[in-house]
Amino acid sequence: NAGVTQTPKFQVLKTGQSMTLQCAQDMNHEYMSWYRQDPGMGLRLIHYSVGAGITDQGEVPNGYNVSRSTTEDFPLRLLSAAPSQTSVYFCASSPGGGGNYGYTFGSGTRLTVV
Amino acid sequence: KNEVEQSPQNLTAQEGEFITINCSYSVGISALHWLQQHPGGGIVSLFMLSSGKKKHGRLIATINIQEKHSSLHITASHPRDSAVYICAAPGNQFYFGTGTSLTVIP
Repeated sequence: NAGVTQTPKFQVLKTGQSMTLQCAQDMNHEYMSWYRQDPGMGLRLIHYSVGAGITDQGEVPNGYNVSRSTTEDFPLRLLSAAPSQTSVYFCASSPGGGGNYGYTFGSGTRLTVV
Repeated sequence: KNEVEQSPQNLTAQEGEFITINCSYSVGISALHWLQQHPGGGIVSLFMLSSGKKKHGRLIATINIQEKHSSLHITASHPRDSAVYICAAPGNQFYFGTGTSLTVIP
C-alpha cells in the first residue's frame, strides 16, 4: 500500500503562476483534506472533501481551488501564486470525517513563491 | 484565541526521562488526535482517543473530556523520540496545536 502520495515534494513558483499539487490515496478513504503548515502557526485546514464530487472550505481557502472527481484523487490548485502561499502543504485522508477515524498524511510539498 | 493550546512549546530531556506534553482545547469534539512529525517533516498519527487512556509501547495518551484536557506521556525517553508532537481537535474545522518540539539528548 502506498498510502497517501503527494507530488511534487518541492516547487518554486513565480508570483502569479498557477500550479496543481497532486494528492492520491489507495486506501478507499472517503475523507480527504489539505493543510498548510507555517512556522508558529500549526497546521491549518484549506479544503476538505467527504467523498467524490463533494468539497468544502476550511479555515484558509482563499487562493486555492479543489475538486474531487474520484475517490482516489484530491488535487489542490493555486490559481495565482502569491508569496503568502509559501508554505509546506500536507494532504491527508481518513475513512470518514468528523475526526472519528485516524488520519494518514502524505509526505508534504514544500512550496516557495518568489 | 487558539482553539487548541499545547505546552510546553519546546522541551529538552535526557535519555530515560519521563516526558509529559499537555493539550487543552476549547471546541467540542468526539475524539482528540495526537500526531508526531519527524525531523524530515513526515506526519504520523499516534493516537485517537475519546475517553480514558491509550497506550502504545512507551507512549501513553490520556484525556479528560470534562476538563477538555489531554496529555501525552513518553516513558523511558530515547533520542529517536525527538520530534514535534501535535495535538488536534476536530470540530466543524480541524484545529491543531502549534506543536511541542521534543529533543532527547543521549
